[in-house]
Amino acid sequence: GQSLEQPSEVTAVEGAIVQINCTYQTSGFYGLSWYQQHDGGAPTFLSYNALDGLEETGRFSSFLSRSDSYGYLLLQELQMKDSASYFCAVRDTTGFQKLVFGTGTRLLVSP
Amino acid sequence: NAGVTQTPKFQVLKTGQSMTLQCAQDMNHNSMYWYRQDPGMGLRLIYYSASEGTTDKGEVPNGYNVSRLNKREFSLRLESAAPSQTSVYFCATTPPTSGSSYNEQFFGPGTRLTVL
Repeated sequence: GQSLEQPSEVTAVEGAIVQINCTYQTSGFYGLSWYQQHDGGAPTFLSYNALDGLEETGRFSSFLSRSDSYGYLLLQELQMKDSASYFCAVRDTTGFQKLVFGTGTRLLVSP
Repeated sequence: NAGVTQTPKFQVLKTGQSMTLQCAQDMNHNSMYWYRQDPGMGLRLIYYSASEGTTDKGEVPNGYNVSRLNKREFSLRLESAAPSQTSVYFCATTPPTSGSSYNEQFFGPGTRLTVL
């Protein structure tokens, strides 16, 4: 099976940089995804890493190290609107390839 | 294009009542999913459907049934609701291609269900 660990909460101030870590245990691996969810909203896709290294999308970057079973989401120039929950997810490799989500990290951005 | 739609948005049930949550997508995707999300928790997969006519159990299927009515619609039924089923239910869909686009799941707005 698969399991993912994330910190439950991270706090930061506007303009700062924050890193949200994710460690995973999987029987196979196809890639690590990140999703953002604002309170009362639906999860939305942020990024996907299939290979080691850093993927950059605007203020957000995502990193993967397959040898360490570890990834992180890096948020730069934090804004108040970045306050949300962030979930990492891996593809389940047993049968149909569905996603398995971590329990999420709540990011609180203060002025 | 509406993407993924869910009805109802909110629902309150009494223990033992039944109801069906509806999900529809206009994205022409084959794969559809039902998740539940409890406070402070991640998303747990209830059932999924790889294509029209097929359904399979996920991580937490007990107390639920599903129907993949056609390619667009995937419904979730609670036959006899219990307080433990109080949760937010999300429907999602994925495109069939490989690589980055495969991993992107598109979620509906959710149904907030309370069972008293």
